[in-house]
Amino acid sequence: GQNIDQPTEMTATEGAIVQINCTYQTSGFNGLFWYQQHAGEAPTFLSYNVLDGLEEKGRFSSFLSRSKGYSYLLLKELQMKDSASYLCAVKDSNYQLIWGAGTKLIIKP
Amino acid sequence: ETGVTQTPRHLVMGMTNKKSLKCEQHLGHNAMYWYKQSAKKPLELMFVYSLEERVENNSVPSRFSPECPNSSHLFLHLHTLQPEDSALYLCASSQDPGTGGETQYFGPGTRLLVL
Repeated sequence: GQNIDQPTEMTATEGAIVQINCTYQTSGFNGLFWYQQHAGEAPTFLSYNVLDGLEEKGRFSSFLSRSKGYSYLLLKELQMKDSASYLCAVKDSNYQLIWGAGTKLIIKP
Repeated sequence: ETGVTQTPRHLVMGMTNKKSLKCEQHLGHNAMYWYKQSAKKPLELMFVYSLEERVENNSVPSRFSPECPNSSHLFLHLHTLQPEDSALYLCASSQDPGTGGETQYFGPGTRLLVL
């Protein structure tokens, strides 16, 4: 079966750095997405990785290793507004998005 | 502002009611999606439409009936729902229905409670 694993919940301190991991087992691979979802709001696109390596976008970076079936989202200089759920999703060989259950990130002052 | 709107934002209905959820996208996209999001579970894809034709139906019970009258509007008609259908229903759109790295843009969702 197809599976996306990410931690259920993480806690970090304002101003610090946090890394949210995502491991996947899918039938084929056509890219990995990270989305952010604040409580009661729409998921919003953060990043897309299809090749191995690190993609940096401001305070957020996303890393992919296809051979290990692994990705992480790195958030730097954490702000209170970064408290949200972070969703990892993989496009399989049929170009269907397979979603993880999301990681709830709690930022403390 | 993502360009995808959904109404209503909240809905409470009994098991014998009939209601409809509405989604509208203002992005000029060709594909639209319905997802179900339950607490602590992955997003579940329900239906995919491309250019107003249904291309995906992930074994969704017949009490959920989608309708796509044009590429900008998507409806989800609900009838004789069960309490376990209570969830957040998200609509999304994308330029095309699957290939490559095109992004899906989501609406804010309809929070549905079935009593």
